[in-house]
Amino acid sequence: DAGVIQSPRHEVTEMGQEVTLRCKPISGHDYLFWYRQTMMRGLELLIYFNNNVPIDDSGMPEDRFSAKMPNASFSTLKIQPSEPRDSAVYFCASSQRGGATEAFFGQGTRLTVV
Amino acid sequence: AQRVTQPEKLLSVFKGAPVELKCNYSYSGSPELFWYVQYSRQRLQLLLRHISRESIKGFTADLNKGETSFHLKKPFAQEEDSAMYYCALMGASYGKLTFGQGTILTVHP
Repeated sequence: DAGVIQSPRHEVTEMGQEVTLRCKPISGHDYLFWYRQTMMRGLELLIYFNNNVPIDDSGMPEDRFSAKMPNASFSTLKIQPSEPRDSAVYFCASSQRGGATEAFFGQGTRLTVV
Repeated sequence: AQRVTQPEKLLSVFKGAPVELKCNYSYSGSPELFWYVQYSRQRLQLLLRHISRESIKGFTADLNKGETSFHLKKPFAQEEDSAMYYCALMGASYGKLTFGQGTILTVHP
């Protein structure tokens, strides 16, 4: 397995534009997490899914952020409209209940909003 | 509410010196604690978890419930230990990890 796959690796966009980040979790994992990493705040959990259903979105900063998981192998995090303060590295992670409690992370998407 | 605090953003030591990365947590129940590590240009990955009571790459961490701490220690640091280290807590909600702000460890030759 190639692990958790995120795309794109880097995204530069202008303020006001829509941004969509994508994630493919490890096959068989039933939990998927979206995190945001910044120097000031470290790693923050934005939202997580269990069996494609959103369980906790209390970390989503504003209505401009939305996340979906239409099936077990794909999730998106959308920011519309984007703002410069959204610039960060966004990580997706997946895990499997019943196994060792370990979250496997993707390589992240570095988002820059100018 | 669950909270993890890593008081040091940056930590520098020389090769061969002992190193301790501090982690304190706040949680009313019995948490599960982890250390994750991110080496340069690599993914964030699990280093160790308290329930395993294991030593990985020479690192150990003991859960001290009285002091609500889970400090990461290594007696002799190596240059390849240079990385970002995150302490994380999982409470009652399975899988939901709360991370600290991270500590960048630099081991000088």
